[in-house]
Amino acid sequence: DADVTQTPRNRITKTGKRIMLECSQTKGHDRMYWYRQDPGLGLRLIYYSFDVKDINKGEISDGYSVSRQAQAKFSLSLESAIPNQTALYFCATGTGALETQYFGPGTRLLVL
Amino acid sequence: SQQGEEDPQALSIQEGENATMNCSYKTSINNLQWYRQNSGRGLVHLILIRSNEREKHSGRLRVTLDTSKKSSSLLITASRAADTASYFCATAPRTQGGSEKLVFGKGTKLTVNP
Repeated sequence: DADVTQTPRNRITKTGKRIMLECSQTKGHDRMYWYRQDPGLGLRLIYYSFDVKDINKGEISDGYSVSRQAQAKFSLSLESAIPNQTALYFCATGTGALETQYFGPGTRLLVL
Repeated sequence: SQQGEEDPQALSIQEGENATMNCSYKTSINNLQWYRQNSGRGLVHLILIRSNEREKHSGRLRVTLDTSKKSSSLLITASRAADTASYFCATAPRTQGGSEKLVFGKGTKLTVNP
């Protein structure tokens, strides 16, 4: 079984809809991250969490919110989706930025 | 803003040849990491080199780090078609209070032709 899982893997939604992307991990890591990948722009950090009670904004948090329900679960929400949020979203876990991060398989989101 | 910038953006070689990718960054770092991404999939960690290290090997991979030039290179020797992927460098900037974020470059797309 994969150590970091993401659901759904693909999602098509309409402008203005609220959607949630979910991430679960079995690695026992405290730190979890949400990234967004756009063609030609690499990965950009949306939010990160050091533990259940610690949530931090990343580089591009506007339009997004997160919830850390448990050590193993970190959800990303788009409160009112817009077309420029169409992207590939990745969840990652780690023991710290000084160490390796482990990525999920990604969620491909299309906002019409 | 991007911390790491990979060069070249795209590289096409024949199987058996060596592939070299470079990464330049702007600020002092704690470490630099290289990741691989197969098309549309999650990133996979390849190698981590700390700021006090100059060279590191892992199988067919060789990574160098020159902190005076703020640059790193990833060499894949005897490339295979299965090495076809995008390769990203990621830096952990050294900041006051400690760095907790990785900053990724835009990647080099490597194509290895059979």
